[in-house]
Amino acid sequence: DIQMTQSPSTLSASVGDRVTITCRASQSISSWLAWYQQKPGKAPKLLIYKASILESGAPSRFSGSGSGTEFTLTISSLQPDDFATYYCQQYNSHSRSFGQGTKVEIK
Amino acid sequence: EVQLVESGGGLVKPGGSLRLSCASSGFTFSTYSMNWVRQAPGKGLEWVSSISSGSDYIFYGDSVKGRFTISRDNAENSLFLQMSSLRAEDTAVYYCARAPGHGENSMDVWGKGTTVTVSS
Repeated sequence: DIQMTQSPSTLSASVGDRVTITCRASQSISSWLAWYQQKPGKAPKLLIYKASILESGAPSRFSGSGSGTEFTLTISSLQPDDFATYYCQQYNSHSRSFGQGTKVEIK
Repeated sequence: EVQLVESGGGLVKPGGSLRLSCASSGFTFSTYSMNWVRQAPGKGLEWVSSISSGSDYIFYGDSVKGRFTISRDNAENSLFLQMSSLRAEDTAVYYCARAPGHGENSMDVWGKGTTVTVSS
């Protein structure tokens, strides 16, 4: 099975900061990677799919990049609504695994 | 409005069974692959199972293989998860989620989840 590892696990940042989260796959997944945002008590929301395509309705301050085994999610200017937990997920294989999550906290 | 609504969660004893349902509306359910994803209390997301639009392809995570069965009724626009031999570690919020289709298998629409608690 493909293992997904996110870093950092927790990130403290201020409004207006540029934030980058990394996701590494244990083997190549081409560009079959999605990023989700989840707030406490709520279902996840799709932000980015196919590594770099912004989901309709997601703010343009979110961007994704990478291919193969290394991927990044960038928030260009952190907004109050962005404090949440972010998950990457691979769907290259039939077993669709998630990363362990990165919690973005207020500094 | 595109919507998924899960139901069927509850308290069940270890070794017991439970059947979850996911009712869809606002889109042509029969043309989309579907997924179950769970989240244990205070933990991250775990993919549970996927089923193709016509039920031709079905996949399970290792932790539920042989115990859980995914199915769908396209006439009723519904997705199901039959869970048996339940364990304490199956305690979680269970979400159903849609794959966008056209070769894209991320999850673009999610329900609000239903809670399963396995405890004696």
